[in-house]
Amino acid sequence: NAGVTQTPKFQVLKTGQSMTLQCAQDMNHNSMYWYRQDPGMGLRLIYYSASEGTTDKGEVPNGYNVSRLNKREFSLRLESAAPSQTSVYFCASSEHTGQPYEQYFGPGTRLTVT
Amino acid sequence: QQQVKQSPQSLIVQKGGISIINCAYENTAFDYFPWYQQFPGKGPALLIAIRPDVSEKKEGRFTISFNKSAKQFSLHIMDSQPGDSATYFCAASISGSARQLTFGSGTQLTVLP
Repeated sequence: NAGVTQTPKFQVLKTGQSMTLQCAQDMNHNSMYWYRQDPGMGLRLIYYSASEGTTDKGEVPNGYNVSRLNKREFSLRLESAAPSQTSVYFCASSEHTGQPYEQYFGPGTRLTVT
Repeated sequence: QQQVKQSPQSLIVQKGGISIINCAYENTAFDYFPWYQQFPGKGPALLIAIRPDVSEKKEGRFTISFNKSAKQFSLHIMDSQPGDSATYFCAASISGSARQLTFGSGTQLTVLP
């Protein structure tokens, strides 16, 4: 039982390049999330998927796209990377009917855009 | 717009001391207040959580105090240990599908041996 896995762990991009961050969970959760973490700003929600087949914007969606490929997988795509997207990206999943409600986070992807 | 404000940004405590981290929220629709703990190089993990119908919740050395009228809640770590050194995030959410979490900015706690 791996929980939430993310690939890659590290990535360096040049401005304008594109890439996709992969996330998978094996807990049969309905909801999945993408966050970015920047110093002094906590975790900010980029996009989320309440259930398979649905996606919605979070607090900071500009410059990103997502795909809920199936119940297990939720990917985040940067079409044209910018230095402002240098950050640590976390994927999370949850089953919102659980008690206590908990989001389970992956280990993160550290992205640098030069 | 920061809906959950957290302080202090960093905190240094001696081993055995009490660590206190404070959060304030604006949205009165929030009905669930968790604290997450994050170690370097790892993702955050749920530490303890509270609902607004109780004023305090204790789990081991960790206690959440909640003041609904002041829209504030805090995390107290009793008998702080070097192993507690981590970044702590408060958060808040509203019941419903997806249950989005709004996080505070984080507090980096260092417990000196």
